[in-house]
Amino acid sequence: GDSVTQMEGPVTLSEEAFLTINCTYTATGYPSLFWYVQYPGEGLQLLLKATKADDKGSNKGFEATYRKETTSFHLEKGSVQVSDSAVYFCALRTTGGFKTIFGAGTRLFVKA
Amino acid sequence: NAGVTQTPKFQVLKTGQSMTLQCAQDMNHEYMSWYRQDPGMGLRLIHYSVGAGITDQGEVPNGYNVSRSTTEDFPLRLLSAAPSQTSVYFCASSYSRLAGVETQYFGPGTRLLVL
Repeated sequence: GDSVTQMEGPVTLSEEAFLTINCTYTATGYPSLFWYVQYPGEGLQLLLKATKADDKGSNKGFEATYRKETTSFHLEKGSVQVSDSAVYFCALRTTGGFKTIFGAGTRLFVKA
Repeated sequence: NAGVTQTPKFQVLKTGQSMTLQCAQDMNHEYMSWYRQDPGMGLRLIHYSVGAGITDQGEVPNGYNVSRSTTEDFPLRLLSAAPSQTSVYFCASSYSRLAGVETQYFGPGTRLLVL
């Protein structure tokens, strides 16, 4: 069945370090892909999305490219800040359907 | 505009007790849903509603009941709590089920511990 696999956390980085959080998926057809962020004590917020192969989603300095050949949607940021400390979720919406599948989440800690 | 609100923030129950998790939204959204979030797992859909009076099961509905008497409110009921229901529960809403997950607004969550 359809699934999303994220790298396990926590990920601990120093401020201004480069961030990569890996996400791979298994799905039939052409799913849409998303990254959500959850700050402490808050609900999930959409961070970025991509709806077709080779699309790049970007927001707040974060980027992710929809790679169909490697079934991946890795999240990257060139220079993280303490305020980026949160849990990041990769998710997909199945082709033509209403089902959304979330990854397990990756917790990021950024040290000053 | 408060968005999606959930109460309580945290609750401890004993096995067999019942309780209702409250969810409300003030955006006149048609679609509302409940998820649970467990360590090492993604969010899983429990129940959803596409409008007042209409509800349906999601991926993990057992042990939970819902109703939708108004557009604003979508309570989740645990009739007889079990330790396996220890989790963080999120309510979400969207103007339409067809709109897709990217348009969903999530509440801050309710952390439930069942002893």
